[in-house]
Amino acid sequence: GQNIDQPTEMTATEGAIVQINCTYQTSGFNGLFWYQQHAGEAPTFLSYNVLDGLEEKGRFSSFLSRSKGYSYLLLKELQMKDSASYLCAVVDSNYQLIWGAGTKLIIKP
Amino acid sequence: IAGITQAPTSQILAAGRRMTLRCTQDMRHNAMYWYRQDLGLGLRLIHYSNTAGTTGKGEVPDGYSVSRANTDDFPLTLASAVPSQTSVYFCATAVGGLNTGELFFGEGSRLTVL
Repeated sequence: GQNIDQPTEMTATEGAIVQINCTYQTSGFNGLFWYQQHAGEAPTFLSYNVLDGLEEKGRFSSFLSRSKGYSYLLLKELQMKDSASYLCAVVDSNYQLIWGAGTKLIIKP
Repeated sequence: IAGITQAPTSQILAAGRRMTLRCTQDMRHNAMYWYRQDLGLGLRLIHYSNTAGTTGKGEVPDGYSVSRANTDDFPLTLASAVPSQTSVYFCATAVGGLNTGELFFGEGSRLTVL
């Protein structure tokens, strides 16, 4: 079966750096997304990786290793507003989007 | 303001009742999707439409139906609601199909079936 694994919950301190990992086992690969979802709100797009390597976008960076079935989202200079769930999703060989259950990130002052 | 409008935002429904969740977009996106989100689970696709006039089944289509008469509207109907359909429902759009582009989500409809 197809599977996306992410930690259920993480805690970090304001101003610090946190890395949220995502591992996947899917039938093929056509890209990986990260979305942010604040409690009670809709998911919003953060990043899309289809090639190996690191893509940086302001305080957020996303890394992909296709050979390892692995991605991470790196958040720097954490702010209280970064408290949210972070959803990893993989596009498989049939262009179906497979979603992880999400990682709830708690930021403490 | 351009975007995706879902209605109702919240609804409590008796089991056995029929319910339609509405989704309207003004971004002229071709692809539209209905997802449900349950605690501890990833988003699960119910139905999708790659373009007006076509629809397809997702991962969890049973008990749900959709139509896509035009580009803007994509209603989701529960013919006879059951408690297991208690969930938060999100409508989403994308410029094209194939899931290689950003998804834009509506604000969600929280449905409770008693």
